[in-house]
Amino acid sequence: KAGVTQTPRYLIKTRGQQVTLSCSPISGHRSVSWYQQTPGQGLQFLFEYFSETQRNKGNFPGRFSGRQFSNSRSEMNVSTLELGDSALYLCASSGTGSGEKLFFGSGTQLSVL
Amino acid sequence: QQQVKQSPQSLIVQKGGISIINCAYENTAFDYFPWYQQFPGKGPALLIAIRPDVSEKKEGRFTISFNKSAKQFSLHIMDSQPGDSATYFCAASNNAGNMLTFGGGTRLMVKP
Repeated sequence: KAGVTQTPRYLIKTRGQQVTLSCSPISGHRSVSWYQQTPGQGLQFLFEYFSETQRNKGNFPGRFSGRQFSNSRSEMNVSTLELGDSALYLCASSGTGSGEKLFFGSGTQLSVL
Repeated sequence: QQQVKQSPQSLIVQKGGISIINCAYENTAFDYFPWYQQFPGKGPALLIAIRPDVSEKKEGRFTISFNKSAKQFSLHIMDSQPGDSATYFCAASNNAGNMLTFGGGTRLMVKP
């Protein structure tokens, strides 16, 4: 069974640009969550989508947005990039329930110059 | 507000020793407490998890101890091996989806 796939693996952008990251969950998983990982702030929850609906949202500005498609694939978008957005963005998928085992992808490393 | 506090930030243990990592939480609504292991260049992977209705859970060399009244839980790695060298994260969530609140992480090094 294929794991969680995130693309691209690395991204370099400049301030003010926007970026879209992609996540393909494990087949059959309907929940996709996004996390930001930085050395200073650690792992922080961005949002969770379940069956194309946002189920939970973390404390991030509106520049961070996401969506989920009918095949459970998800994208997150960051507009007007800031230097502080440089981070590893991790996607995790799980089955239908709450508090279930999350399977993480290897992440997209975003560098904002 | 950091709702899950993890200590220590780093830990060095000799091969065969016991590694102990502690976490404390504030939100009494949390009802699921997993531990994740992360190697460089990889995403976190679930090691073991516990719910508040039990005080201890063991899986192989990994044990979670849970103290509901103190709002603390800990991970014990018995017979630590160099291959256990990684960063460990505790986390917590409530019954409202898969939103995890992570601790700050512990970088474990097991010396041969």
